[in-house]
Amino acid sequence: EVQLVESGGGLVQPGGSLRLSCAASGFTFSSYWMHWVRQAPGKGLVWVSRINSDGSYTSYADSVKGRFTISRDNAKNTLYLQMNSLRAEDTAVYYCARVYCSRTSCSSMDVWGQGTTVTVSS
Amino acid sequence: QSALTQPASVSGSPGQSITISCTGTSSDVGNYNYVSWYQQHPGKAPRLMIYEVSNRPSGLSNRFSGSKSGNTASLTISGLQAEDEADYYCSSYTSSSIYVFGTGTKVTVL
Repeated sequence: EVQLVESGGGLVQPGGSLRLSCAASGFTFSSYWMHWVRQAPGKGLVWVSRINSDGSYTSYADSVKGRFTISRDNAKNTLYLQMNSLRAEDTAVYYCARVYCSRTSCSSMDVWGQGTTVTVSS
Repeated sequence: QSALTQPASVSGSPGQSITISCTGTSSDVGNYNYVSWYQQHPGKAPRLMIYEVSNRPSGLSNRFSGSKSGNTASLTISGLQAEDEADYYCSSYTSSSIYVFGTGTKVTVL
């Protein structure tokens, strides 16, 4: 079964750090680009970051650039999101998602984890 | 990058058809055929419904269809069913090489 399982969420004080993990199984993780997407309580989906299959290319939303770092360990089939200088507005459920590639593009997300909750509060 | 604009809510009776719009700019929706649609039930992860404007993933009901005209993409649900009641989000690739989601639309089956 194709599966993504996030972990690492929790309560952290403003200015603190947290590292999220996303464990992949049931598919060849090293062949896929991956995303992180977040959703604040009662709000919509917001794209956070993307990484290519070998980890050599990354991109970020302006709201997290310079504070968050996406990375991956293909030997461990795991995606990461290192979050530093956390703010109250980073409070959200964080989802990892696999990029779906059709014959013409790789532009959507076809497998999602169940999410991990990050709460930034003093 | 501003979120794509969707109506906050759309409703319809069982069996009817509804359409959800997703309005962006010439830097995202208008310039790329990389618009996706996602369905999200409360407390659940999103589910891919449409990719590349109008394509359905394997196994997805043909009651869901997508289209695009200019800077606006649309998702149509025909033969509305109770299980279609959920939040729907569009997404697009952008000229900044990043992605943007829509504001989300709550679909209610009356």
